[in-house]
Formats: sequence, structure tokens, C-alpha cells
Amino acid sequence: DGGITQSPKYLFRKEGQNVTLSCEQNLNHDAMYWYRQDPGQGLRLIYYSQIVNDFQKGDIAEGYSVSREKKESFPLTVTSAQKNPTAFYLCASSNRVDYEQYFGPGTRLTVT
Amino acid sequence: QKEVEQDPGPLSVPEGAIVSLNCTYSNSAFQYFMWYRQYSRKGPELLMYTYSSGNKEDGRFTAQVDKSSKYISLFIRDSQPSDSATYLCAMSAGGYQKVTFGTGTKLQVIP
Repeated sequence: DGGITQSPKYLFRKEGQNVTLSCEQNLNHDAMYWYRQDPGQGLRLIYYSQIVNDFQKGDIAEGYSVSREKKESFPLTVTSAQKNPTAFYLCASSNRVDYEQYFGPGTRLTVT
Repeated sequence: QKEVEQDPGPLSVPEGAIVSLNCTYSNSAFQYFMWYRQYSRKGPELLMYTYSSGNKEDGRFTAQVDKSSKYISLFIRDSQPSDSATYLCAMSAGGYQKVTFGTGTKLQVIP
């Protein structure tokens, strides 16, 4: 069953703590992405990776970090430097950065 | 001005109606066009994908691209309450240029 998995579905953290969101895909896609979506808002690109061991900042990278050590995995760390971390986080992948993307189910992060 | 503009809605229609969802864009280089459906608290799901002008049909859904007007549409025939969701358009110029998403239109189909 091919697809993208994100875990956990809900995540709660205290302010000041770093937290890592998981994203795994078995679609053999080269490109992977992280987006943030706030209530009633569109998708905002945080980071993307076109190939293993390479990644680029998106529009709102401050306070976030990523790694791409394996083709299948693209974890996102939300650091304590991110001022408003509470949001819905979506991971996606595609064959190429200009092709259609396939999304995971999302992780809802709440920081209090 | 945003590269891709999409009316946020909400758009409310009665069950069985034909729905028209639209996006306009400013970048004439865009040539790949996508429509996604997103249910509340879920990830977007790819509905249709096209890289040409004209129409593409898939069941009750028809995607239409007018490159001369920089305008794309998604038509939903015989709309159902299960079509109630947010619909996002997306497009890219190809050549390894990133995909740009619209902000989405919220659709409500009333039984």
C-alpha cells in the first residue's frame, strides 16, 4: 500500500521544547516537502528537498530544521525558536519538484 | 499581487447543482495545473492533473484550462454533500520550478 505516513497524528508539547515530526514515503519519490497550514489559511512551504542529502528553505523556514539522510524519510524539527508553532503540519512528496505532489494525513501540533 | 488567486468562499450550493471553482494566475509560464480536495483536518488529495489547455474529464469532475486568459476551472456535476471540502488549485512552470498553490475555496453542498 503506497503512500505517505506522518506520525503522530496529534502532538502536544510545552513551550521551549524542540519537537520532531516524522514523515515517511514509499512512493520512491525524489522530492519531499513540509508545509504549515493555519486555520482558514493556505499552505505555506517550510522546507523542501529535491534529493537525498540536499534541502532548501521555503517561505517560512525560521525556527524549523530538517534532514534528508534517506530517500524515504524527511523529518521536521520545530525548535523553540519558532514563535508560533501551534499549527497543522503537512508532508508531501513528488517525483520532481515541478510535478504533482502527494500529501500525508498531517500532524496537528499544539504547544502550550 | 499573488501569483495564484483563488476566491476563499465559502461557496454554498444545493445538492445536485453544478459547481464551478476557479483560479486565476499571473505567471504565463505555468503549464502544469492541478486540483486538490482537502477535507477538514486531513491532507489534500490530488483530484486532477493536466498540462494542456482545454478540458479533462474524470467522472463528475472536469478540469478546464484557458492559458490565454490565465484562468483554470474545476467543474463538479451532480454535486453531493460528500463534495463539501476545500478545493485548492496548484500549478507549475515545469523545468524544476516549484509548484505554487492557491489558498483554496471552501465548498458546502447542502442536502
